[in-house]
Amino acid sequence: AQSVTQLGSHVSVSEGALVLLRCNYSSSVPPYLFWYVQYPNQGLQLLLKYTTGATLVKGINGFEAEFKKSETSFHLTKPSAHMSDAAEYFCAVMSQGAQKLVFGQGTRLTINP
Amino acid sequence: DAMVIQNPRYQVTQFGKPVTLSCSQTLNHNVMYWYQQKSSQAPKLLFHYYDKDFNNEADTPDNFQSRRPNTSFCFLDIRSPGLGDAAMYLCATSRRAGYTDTQYFGPGTRLTVL
Repeated sequence: AQSVTQLGSHVSVSEGALVLLRCNYSSSVPPYLFWYVQYPNQGLQLLLKYTTGATLVKGINGFEAEFKKSETSFHLTKPSAHMSDAAEYFCAVMSQGAQKLVFGQGTRLTINP
Repeated sequence: DAMVIQNPRYQVTQFGKPVTLSCSQTLNHNVMYWYQQKSSQAPKLLFHYYDKDFNNEADTPDNFQSRRPNTSFCFLDIRSPGLGDAAMYLCATSRRAGYTDTQYFGPGTRLTVL
């Protein structure tokens, strides 16, 4: 069975600081991995996804994530936080052959001025 | 712009009074999903349609039903809402089920049960 663990339900950083949101997954087969962002009272928007190939994936709004198979991780980073990055971030996994996403519990990112 | 639309954005119902939530899409995607998201929790898949084929998750209560009369529309029916059904309900679409196809989400309907 697939599962996702997001370390830290709440992360707070200063504007301009590095953003690091952690995600570890469990999957018995090579996974597809996703990061979604959810702004207040809105649906989820895809930030980036890893399928195959290059393990460093670049997404929208300056975010990127690196798939590390040996660590079963897919952490999300952004070099310099902006106030508009304040939102809830969800990591998700889909195993090959599966038909559904399994989401982590989410990490609420707060940006301090 | 092609998009996923959910109506209403906010819905208030009474305990036990049936309610229907609506989702429409202009993406012409084959798959439509319904998720339940309770406060501070991850979205939980209730069911999905692949074209006309209905796929129910094993732990989705019988109280939740869905209809997809055509490609563009999908409805979520809650037959007898309980207080525990208060949540955000998210509709999503994708071109295919599984694989790596991106799921596109609507803005959600926030359901309050009094």
